Amino acid sequence: NAGVTQTPKFQVLKTGQSMTLQCAQDMNHNSMYWYRQDPGMGLRLIYYSASEGTTDKGEVPNGYNVSRLNKREFSLRLESAAPSQTSVYFCASPGQGRETQYFGPGTRLLVL
Amino acid sequence: GDSVTQMEGPVTLSEEAFLTINCTYTATGYPSLFWYVQYPGEGLQLLLKATKADDKGSNKGFEATYRKETTSFHLEKGSVQVSDSAVYFCALSGGTYKYIFGTGTRLKVLA
Repeated sequence: NAGVTQTPKFQVLKTGQSMTLQCAQDMNHNSMYWYRQDPGMGLRLIYYSASEGTTDKGEVPNGYNVSRLNKREFSLRLESAAPSQTSVYFCASPGQGRETQYFGPGTRLLVL
Repeated sequence: GDSVTQMEGPVTLSEEAFLTINCTYTATGYPSLFWYVQYPGEGLQLLLKATKADDKGSNKGFEATYRKETTSFHLEKGSVQVSDSAVYFCALSGGTYKYIFGTGTRLKVLA
């Protein structure tokens, strides 16, 4: 049981390049989340998916798109990376109701 | 809207010292409250939680009590160890799909 997995672990992009961050969970949870973590700002929600086939914007969605490919997988895409998107990105998946969030190990992204 | 405020760090303590990290919240309704811990290079993991007023969450010697009257959920540990050095996040879950995290408090424990 791997829980929540993320790829890649680390990525360097140039301004304007695109990339997709991958996330998968094997806990059979319905909902999945993408957060970014910046110094002094805590975690900010980018997008979430309440169930397969649905996605909704969070606090900071600009510059990102998401795809809930199936129940297991939820990807985050940067179409044209900007230095302001340098951050650590975490995927998470909560249990039922208002339950514990289970986090992946994170993707560290540097945009030059 | 809902929010979580926790004390700024870093907090530096000697081994075996008493730890308190303050956390207060604002929320409509009756949120669940959580403390998460993040070790270097890792994702967040649940440390403890409380789902209603006066509940006490505890784990690995850490404790926090859900105080509705003061809207607080302070984290305490009687005797910290070097291995407790990490960043601690207070969080609330205020309803379906709504999770709010504090900014995190870095704890450094010196041998």
